[in-house]
Amino acid sequence: SAVISQKPSRDICQRGTSLTIQCQVDSQVTMMFWYRQQPGQSLTLIATANQGSEATYESGFVIDKFPISRPNLTFSTLTVSNMSPEDSSIYLCSVRDRDYNEQFFGPGTRLTVL
Amino acid sequence: AQSVSQHNHHVILSEAASLELGCNYSYGGTVNLFWYVQYPGQHLQLLLKYFSGDPLVKGIKGFEAEFIKSKFSFNLRKPSVQWSDTAEYFCAVNDSGGGADGLTFGKGTHLIIQP
Repeated sequence: SAVISQKPSRDICQRGTSLTIQCQVDSQVTMMFWYRQQPGQSLTLIATANQGSEATYESGFVIDKFPISRPNLTFSTLTVSNMSPEDSSIYLCSVRDRDYNEQFFGPGTRLTVL
Repeated sequence: AQSVSQHNHHVILSEAASLELGCNYSYGGTVNLFWYVQYPGQHLQLLLKYFSGDPLVKGIKGFEAEFIKSKFSFNLRKPSVQWSDTAEYFCAVNDSGGGADGLTFGKGTHLIIQP
């Protein structure tokens, strides 16, 4: 199984600022995903990030708010831009193991926006 | 679009009780089905998955789930729960037809096992 790390593990930010979350995987993967888990809610897919192509965003999420980079097969970043308190969530990185069609999740980044 | 419903948001059971958590999905095509578990302070982990074949699938830690296509259901079961099963359980689906690979999750069920 893939081992995923995320940085930072948590942060407290001021309204109007931006935060970049890093996701590192211990093996090369084609498909990476970013999810959001708002307080008391389920996980919601933000976007799919494939290396060598633009990220594909789900309905309700836009690139200007959540720009994503995918420079290689083991790394991705998600930026939460111009933050508001409504962006307070846990942000999770996930990768797909194509051989087993399983998705593995990182530990998450707990973001609080004041 | 896909959607997933988990009917029980909070479940409290005593040790050795039997468990069944409901999961229904809504989607017009064929799906892959998953149950994930999140123990306190830990990552999401895959409990079990269904792609095709035998609709009764067995996962880790004694869990199993049955896919009933006519009911669009994928309920999770365990015959005898333990205190260590206290966790959040999520049902999820994705399109098995080569479409979107991202997962659609249910809202989760918070399971508490009392000793």
